[in-house]
Amino acid sequence: GQQLNQSPQSMFIQEGEDVSMNCTSSSIFNTWLWYKQDPGEGPVLLIALYKAGELTSNGRLTAQFGITRKDSFLNISASIPSDVGIYFCAGQIGSARQLTFGSGTQLTVLP
Amino acid sequence: NAGVTQTPKFRVLKTGQSMTLLCAQDMNHEYMYWYRQDPGMGLRLIHYSVGEGTTAKGEVPDGYNVSRLKKQNFLLGLESAAPSQTSVYFCASSPWTGNTEAFFGQGTRLTVV
Repeated sequence: GQQLNQSPQSMFIQEGEDVSMNCTSSSIFNTWLWYKQDPGEGPVLLIALYKAGELTSNGRLTAQFGITRKDSFLNISASIPSDVGIYFCAGQIGSARQLTFGSGTQLTVLP
Repeated sequence: NAGVTQTPKFRVLKTGQSMTLLCAQDMNHEYMYWYRQDPGMGLRLIHYSVGEGTTAKGEVPDGYNVSRLKKQNFLLGLESAAPSQTSVYFCASSPWTGNTEAFFGQGTRLTVV
């Protein structure tokens, strides 16, 4: 199947620092989504991107749909303890409704 | 509004046993999906449905069957469980038109011993 390469796999940062993670693929995506998963919970949608070059913010989160349509990044500014969790990128290819997920970035915020 | 509800939340099976996982959504969504989540591998699509009475295979369908007899329900069956099916299973749904954003249930943790 299609693959999304998500990096980094894990991050340890100090509270207050900014964070950046990204996903890349050899395939062209029509949609990029970023999800967060807390322990024992299902993924929750953070940001959805639908156009190449689109830059969207949701509070301290900012995500961009790459110009080539093969990548996306998520930035978190001024991290806080509740940012801890696993962040997943997901993309949609062609007309298919199903999403392809990256392997996730485990974020730990140190006090 | 409950969104997507999965039952059960936890289950332990012996190898060879069968079981059915239930997913129910109250958002009138057309599309429903079953994913499995394993450490370091993200979410992989098992089967999905584009509407009542329809099902299709995803990335890792072997060993699973599904049914969508009612629009709001999507069932995932394991006919003969294997230890390789130990995983966390997530159901999701998305609407017919517009955005492809999927909404997830809380997951079912299945252990096959």
